[in-house]
Amino acid sequence: DSGVTQTPKHLITATGQRVTLRCSPRSGDLSVYWYQQSLDQGLQFLIQYYNGEERAKGNILERFSAQQFPDLHSELNLSSLELGDSALYFCASSSGGLAKNIQYFGAGTRLSVL
Amino acid sequence: AQTVTQSQPEMSVQEAETVTLSCTYDTSESDYYLFWYKQPPSRQMILVIRQEAYKQQNATENRFSVNFQKAAKSFSLKISDSQLGDAAMYFCAYRNYGGSQGNLIFGKGTKLSVKP
Repeated sequence: DSGVTQTPKHLITATGQRVTLRCSPRSGDLSVYWYQQSLDQGLQFLIQYYNGEERAKGNILERFSAQQFPDLHSELNLSSLELGDSALYFCASSSGGLAKNIQYFGAGTRLSVL
Repeated sequence: AQTVTQSQPEMSVQEAETVTLSCTYDTSESDYYLFWYKQPPSRQMILVIRQEAYKQQNATENRFSVNFQKAAKSFSLKISDSQLGDAAMYFCAYRNYGGSQGNLIFGKGTKLSVKP
């Protein structure tokens, strides 16, 4: 168990809908990362937060947004969903934003858009 | 931009034997970290081993070791005494040492099968 909790484990929804994925980082970790894993794109970085502030952005679509709350949990919001958004979404956390800080991954949320 | 390439989509090894998974990367940076992550059927991403680019000594974690060739930008993973539980997807990943972007850049992965 990595200590990173993601909910829900599975999510099935329809095109055009909006969903929210939740991540609770390991106790004490300030940095949260979101990644998307799909068959065609592989594992891609979406966005990073550090202590409530956005730190870095990757290949995140404009339809997607995220935030990190004062209690350090994070949410990834996906709107106007398309079939191609079906993927496994991972959250990872680390104690800091430095390269030496190991990222620990949650079990992921599998999103199926029908 | 940095890239990570895993040229072996699938590999197979006999139980108790040794297997080596390949990874090459491209970067203009001199300081960085390299990782191998394991993803079993449970989907959980598990860190296997980490290598700091400034360290010449190859990292080792029990049955797992790496062959880090900085000049060749190569970072292979050797699994000794393979066990059935080693069957998984293995991802090579890169991370810049400095800067604000601390995200990992992953290769496409190698699916390892272990035959009893």
